[in-house]
Amino acid sequence: QVQLEQSGAEVKKPGASVKVSCKASGYTFTSYDINWVRQATGQGLEWMGWMNPNSGNTGYAQKFQGRVTMTRNTSISTAYMELSSLRSEDTAVYYCARGIRTTLNSYYYMDVWGKGTTVTVSS
Amino acid sequence: DIQMTQSPSSLSASVGDRVTIACRASQSISSYLNWYQQKPGKAPKLLIYAASSLQSGVPSRFSGSGSGTDFTLTISSLQPEDFATYYCQQSYNTLFTFGPGTKVDIK
Repeated sequence: QVQLEQSGAEVKKPGASVKVSCKASGYTFTSYDINWVRQATGQGLEWMGWMNPNSGNTGYAQKFQGRVTMTRNTSISTAYMELSSLRSEDTAVYYCARGIRTTLNSYYYMDVWGKGTTVTVSS
Repeated sequence: DIQMTQSPSSLSASVGDRVTIACRASQSISSYLNWYQQKPGKAPKLLIYAASSLQSGVPSRFSGSGSGTDFTLTISSLQPEDFATYYCQQSYNTLFTFGPGTKVDIK
């Protein structure tokens, strides 16, 4: 079945970087986008950006421009999200989600989600 | 960026109730609007895409409507497993945004 398997929890110090992985299975990795969404404890969902695994093209939310990098390794069907200059406010669960764009009207939605990776930023 | 708002922020309802959640976009987004359900400690689940299209496997008691700036998610008869937080999300441009969420709990 279609799955996104995320890497394990991370604890980082302020100023460090974190790199979270998302391994796809059950479908052709290069045929669908990967999005990254985060959620701080008790807060709502915050979209961070998307990546096209085929082209490597990316689009980032303005809030994360300059601090986030989304990459992939197509040989192992894995997407990565690296966030740098971490601060306490980056403590959150980070989700990857598959993005689908319909051929008619280009509607876009996220239909499969990973279980999330907890990133804790603490000194 | 397109801003999304939802109302109410929370509501209490009973099993069997009809529940309606509203979502508004800061500019017209045509029908580029999705709805997700999230339960505590779990990843979000897609319910509705393109404003009114039911995702495969989602019960038919869920429905979506609207276009332009105003949208609605309706649960026709609330079931125990529907107590959760619901988020709308726009996909009009490639800078996606979520609404703040509506928590549905038990009255």
